[in-house]
Amino acid sequence: DGGITQSPKYLFRKEGQNVTLSCEQNLNHDAMYWYRQDPGQGLRLIYYSQIVNDFQKGDIAEGYSVSREKKESFPLTVTSAQKNPTAFYLCASSMGAYNQPQHFGDGTRLSIL
Amino acid sequence: QKEVEQNSGPLSVPEGAIASLNCTYSDRGSQSFFWYRQYSGKSPELIMSIYSNGDKEDGRFTAQLNKASQYVSLLIRDSQPSDSATYLCAGGVNFGNEKLTFGTGTRLTIIP
Repeated sequence: DGGITQSPKYLFRKEGQNVTLSCEQNLNHDAMYWYRQDPGQGLRLIYYSQIVNDFQKGDIAEGYSVSREKKESFPLTVTSAQKNPTAFYLCASSMGAYNQPQHFGDGTRLSIL
Repeated sequence: QKEVEQNSGPLSVPEGAIASLNCTYSDRGSQSFFWYRQYSGKSPELIMSIYSNGDKEDGRFTAQLNKASQYVSLLIRDSQPSDSATYLCAGGVNFGNEKLTFGTGTRLTIIP
């Protein structure tokens, strides 16, 4: 089945630690996105990538980093510089044109230990 | 700041009635619109796309777009308890911009 796989489902971070969230898609989509969702809030864009080896900052990129070495993969690292990382993280992908919808993975819940 | 705004919730509707969810957008360049349903603790799921003025129907769902007034709406007929969720409106702008702008969502509760 085609889809977007995020792992792990739950993640705990210690103070000063970097953690990496995985996102893999087998939909052959060009564009991939990372969003953060806080309780009762909408989606805020962290980073997005329209093509391999290229990515752009979203609205809240500080404290996060990404890479896009393969079309299928777009991992997100939450660095120790992100002081309030507790949130629901969602990865999405699309064909990349403005009129194409984004499809979401099941998400990763990150909490501070 | 390009924004997509949704009518504030929460919205409660009796089972079997029509639920009406509204969304306005500020960027006149917006060309494509999407409605997502998000159950509590889950990820958003695409339920409707609309690109042209007028109505688009899919089962119990109807999306309506009025570009002159810059609003898009979602009607859910014969509301069921399983429709209880948060509904997110998103808009896309052309000219090579591949991002979507999401509203903050409207929480809908269907009362049995």
